[in-house]
Amino acid sequence: GDSVTQMEGPVTLSEEAFLTINCTYTATGYPSLFWYVQYPGEGLQLLLKATKADDKGSNKGFEATYRKETTSFHLEKGSVQVSDSAVYFCALSDRADSSYKLIFGSGTRLLVRP
Amino acid sequence: DADVTQTPRNRITKTGKRIMLECSQTKGHDRMYWYRQDPGLGLRLIYYSFDVKDINKGEISDGYSVSRQAQAKFSLSLESAIPNQTALYFCATQGLNTEAFFGQGTRLTVV
Repeated sequence: GDSVTQMEGPVTLSEEAFLTINCTYTATGYPSLFWYVQYPGEGLQLLLKATKADDKGSNKGFEATYRKETTSFHLEKGSVQVSDSAVYFCALSDRADSSYKLIFGSGTRLLVRP
Repeated sequence: DADVTQTPRNRITKTGKRIMLECSQTKGHDRMYWYRQDPGLGLRLIYYSFDVKDINKGEISDGYSVSRQAQAKFSLSLESAIPNQTALYFCATQGLNTEAFFGQGTRLTVV
């Protein structure tokens, strides 16, 4: 079945460092890809998404490009802030699946130090 | 007010007890979902519903039941709670062409 694999955390960075969180996927259909962020004590919020190959999603300085050839959707940010500390989830939704459910990776905790 | 509201936010219950987690939404979405989050496993789908007459099992439905009382309300029940159901539970809603919107979660501990 469909699955998402993302790098284990925690990832600890200093403020203004470059961030990459790797995400790869396996899907039988034509998935849409997402990054969700979970701040402490809160639910998940959509950070960005991409619906087809070569699309780039971006929001709040974060970017991810849908790479079909490598089945990847890596999250990047050029300069992280302390406020970016959170858990980041890569997810897919297979449009061939009538439930439209999200399939999540295990999450990567990011800690940004001042 | 939050678009997706879950109650309670935290709950401790004893093994064998029945417990209900409630979810209500103001988004007007037809699709509602219950997910469970465990450390290192991400979120997994328990049940989902497309309307009050349409209830479907997800990948980990054993030991759970749901009720869609109205378009805006979707509750999750544990008929006889067991310790390995200790987890963080999320309700989510989704419109026809929108992303999923999540509640703040219910932290359930079964002792």
